[in-house]
This record gives sequence, C-alpha cells and structure tokens, in this order.
Amino acid sequence: GENVEQHPSTLSVQEGDSAVIKCTYSDSASNYFPWYKQELGKGPQLIIDIRSNVGEKKDQRIAVTLNKTAKHFSLHITETQPEDSAVYFCAARYNKLIFGAGTRLAVHP
Amino acid sequence: DADVTQTPRNRITKTGKRIMLECSQTKGHDRMYWYRQDPGLGLQLIYYSFDVKDINKGEISDGYSVSRQAQAKFSLSLESAIPNQTALYFCATSDTAFNTGELFFGEGSRLTVL
Repeated sequence: GENVEQHPSTLSVQEGDSAVIKCTYSDSASNYFPWYKQELGKGPQLIIDIRSNVGEKKDQRIAVTLNKTAKHFSLHITETQPEDSAVYFCAARYNKLIFGAGTRLAVHP
Repeated sequence: DADVTQTPRNRITKTGKRIMLECSQTKGHDRMYWYRQDPGLGLQLIYYSFDVKDINKGEISDGYSVSRQAQAKFSLSLESAIPNQTALYFCATSDTAFNTGELFFGEGSRLTVL
C-alpha cells in the first residue's frame, strides 16, 4: 500500500544552523506534498506545500524540494531559531493523504 | 477562540466504557476528519465526512464510529474502549478535497484507556 517514510525521527541542531528532514513516498502518482509543524500541546499546522509540477518552493527560511524520479522530498530550514523546535510531519497524496511518522526537531540556543 | 474546538482535551477511562469525543468548527468548512496520533506512527485517518450526509471510513476505522450532527459538528465515538485506543485524537477541517487543500487541526484530545 501507499507509504511515506520520514527521516530522521529526531534532529538536534544549534541555533543558526540548518536542518533538513527527508521523506520518501511509494506511490509514483502522488502529486501533492505538504509539511505540517506541530508545536507542543497544539495541533499540526501547514507550513509549506509543493505540487508535483514544481521542483522547489521557498518561503522565507523554509524550503521544500521534490525529486519525482527518486520519489523523495525534503524540508530545509535555514538559520534555525528556538521557536522552530517542534515535530514536523511530511505527507504525500494521490487518492489519500498519507503522513510520515514525524521528526522531532530541537534547536538549542 | 479556536476555529476548531475539541472536547474533552483530556480523558481517562476504563476498558469497556463508551467514550465520545466532540469537535466543532467555526471555519464554515464542509469537510471534517478524525485522525489518531501515536508516537512513531504519524497521523492516521479514522473517518472523514465531506458533508452532513456523507461519512467515509479511513485507514483505521475498526472500533470507532462517527456522527456528523451538523456542518459544524463531527463527533467520534468509541463504543467499548480498549487500552490500545490510548492515543491523541485530532479533528480537522478543510474547504477543498482533503488530498489537495490545507487541513486545519484542533488542539487534540488525549485519551487514556486503562
């Protein structure tokens, strides 16, 4: 069945460093790839998404890249700040939206 | 006030009890969803509803039922709770097909079944 694998499960960086989270998907027909951020005690919130006709998308310090041939996509956060600390979920969809298992990012001052 | 409100936020119950988790939204969206979150497993879809007369099973519907009482209200029931239903439950809404548009999540309902 459809599957999304997300790595790493935990990530610890120093403030100001970059963070990269990677996801692979199994259904080559997937055409929509959102990323959600879940802060402690809150529900997930969409931070960026990309569709299959685009290879890269940026929004200030965050960017997402998509490699359709390899069926993987990545979230890049530059100049990390303590408020970036959260759990990040990738997802992929064709018929259904399938979420990855999540990455817990800790940004240390 | 939150756009998507879940009650209760925390609940401890015993095996065999009936539990209802409620969700209400002020976003005016037609589409509503219930997800379950377990550590290391991400978010799994339990049920979804595209309008008041539409109810669909998700990936993990066994042991759960739902009711869409109105456009703004979508409740999840566990008829006879069991310990492996201990999890964090999220309600979400969207105004387009859930597989293309943004999901708006509530703050979650943490359920513990003893």
